[in-house]
Amino acid sequence: DAKTTQPPSMDCAEGRAANLPCNHSTISGNEYVYWYRQIHSQGPQYIIHGLKNNETNEMASLIITEDRKSSTLILPHATLRDTAVYYCIVRVKDDMRFGAGTRLTVKP
Amino acid sequence: GAVVSQHPSWVICKSGTSVKIECRSLDFQATTMFWYRQFPKQSLMLMATSNEGSKATYEQGVEKDKFLINHASLTLSTLTVTSAHPEDSSFYICSARMDTEAFFGQGTRLTVV
Repeated sequence: DAKTTQPPSMDCAEGRAANLPCNHSTISGNEYVYWYRQIHSQGPQYIIHGLKNNETNEMASLIITEDRKSSTLILPHATLRDTAVYYCIVRVKDDMRFGAGTRLTVKP
Repeated sequence: GAVVSQHPSWVICKSGTSVKIECRSLDFQATTMFWYRQFPKQSLMLMATSNEGSKATYEQGVEKDKFLINHASLTLSTLTVTSAHPEDSSFYICSARMDTEAFFGQGTRLTVV
C-alpha cells in the first residue's frame, strides 16, 4: 500500500505557481520524500527529494513541514509542458511503490 | 541525471510467445533495479525488485515463472514475459537505483495479439 495521499487532480494557469500537496502522516524518521512526474506514455522523471529541510533545484522546490507529515511540491512558473501526473513517494532505499498521484493540468 | 535505456520501446507479439525487455543503466552501475507494469489510466504497479547477482524479489500476486527477471550485471536487467496472453498487454517500465536516487527507462509498450 502506498504511504502517501495526494489529490487526484489539479489545474493551474500557465505562468502561475503550481503547488502540489502530499500527505505522508506515517513517515518514518529515515524515510525520504521523493517527487516524480510522468508525462503521458513515458517513464517517470525524477524531480526532487528531501529528508527534513526544504530543497530547491532547477525544476522545483520541495517544502516539508516541521513534523514531516506532509509536503508541497512547488513549480514556480508552470508551463504547458508541466502537464503530467505527479507522484509523491516516501522511501528509504528500495521501497519504490507509487500511489495514484495528482494529475496536474496547466491551462493557457 | 543518469540515463536508463529500455528496449524495445514497443513490441507486438502473438499469444503464446515470449518477449524479452532489456533495461540498461548507461552511465552508472545499478545494484538494484525495479520492474513495473502500468495499465491505462492507472499508476505504476511494482512487479519485482532485482539485485545484481541474486534472485529477484517479486511482489505478491506476480507470477515469477511467467515474468522472468535476470540481473546478471550491474548495468543490465531483463524481463521476459513467457507465454504471453492478451491480458499481459501493458506498459512495462524499469528503474535503476543509484545511491539514494532512482532513474526510469522510457517504458515498453507490449501488445499481445
